[in-house]
Amino acid sequence: NAGVTQTPKFQVLKTGQSMTLQCAQDMNHEYMSWYRQDPGMGLRLIHYSVGAGITDQGEVPNGYNVSRSTTEDFPLRLLSAAPSQTSVYFCASREGLAGVETQYFGPGTRLLVL
Amino acid sequence: SQQGEEDPQALSIQEGENATMNCSYKTSINNLQWYRQNSGRGLVHLILIRSNEREKHSGRLRVTLDTSKKSSSLLITASRAADTASYFCATGRPSKGKLIFGQGTTLQVKP
Repeated sequence: NAGVTQTPKFQVLKTGQSMTLQCAQDMNHEYMSWYRQDPGMGLRLIHYSVGAGITDQGEVPNGYNVSRSTTEDFPLRLLSAAPSQTSVYFCASREGLAGVETQYFGPGTRLLVL
Repeated sequence: SQQGEEDPQALSIQEGENATMNCSYKTSINNLQWYRQNSGRGLVHLILIRSNEREKHSGRLRVTLDTSKKSSSLLITASRAADTASYFCATGRPSKGKLIFGQGTTLQVKP
């Protein structure tokens, strides 16, 4: 299994541009989530999904959209990038929904917004 | 606001010494997990302790949980240079299954 994969690894955007961060997992996990990691802030939950067609907001959802059309894919969209969205983004998945299961992380996407 | 707060923020020790990191949280949980992150990489799960457990071991790792004090500790015994990384605690909430992460402890193990 490839586990959780993310593309691209690194991206530079100009303010106002849009882009989609891709995330895919091949473990048939129901639960997927997106985090951003900033220095001194730990990981903050952006959006999460408990299954295909179901998404919900996390702690810092503003400026981001998600969709879950399949079990495997969970893309994160920035509609109009802002410098405050410069961060490292991690996608994660886990098998169950109760929160007691191991969460698997992708390698991250480093985003710079100028 | 973050659920978990790690202490210390940074820790530097010599190889062979023990490293202890602490995590405090604010609300009720159904489990607490510890993750490790090597520089420039994603997080890797280390160990999970459920709310009805007080101590758990995995190799050189020992985790304790005190729900009355809303705190947990991670002990790494006989540390190695390869243990150099950031360590995060994450708390699982009773509802919705969210995992909320703390800010992390950066551990440096000097050879």
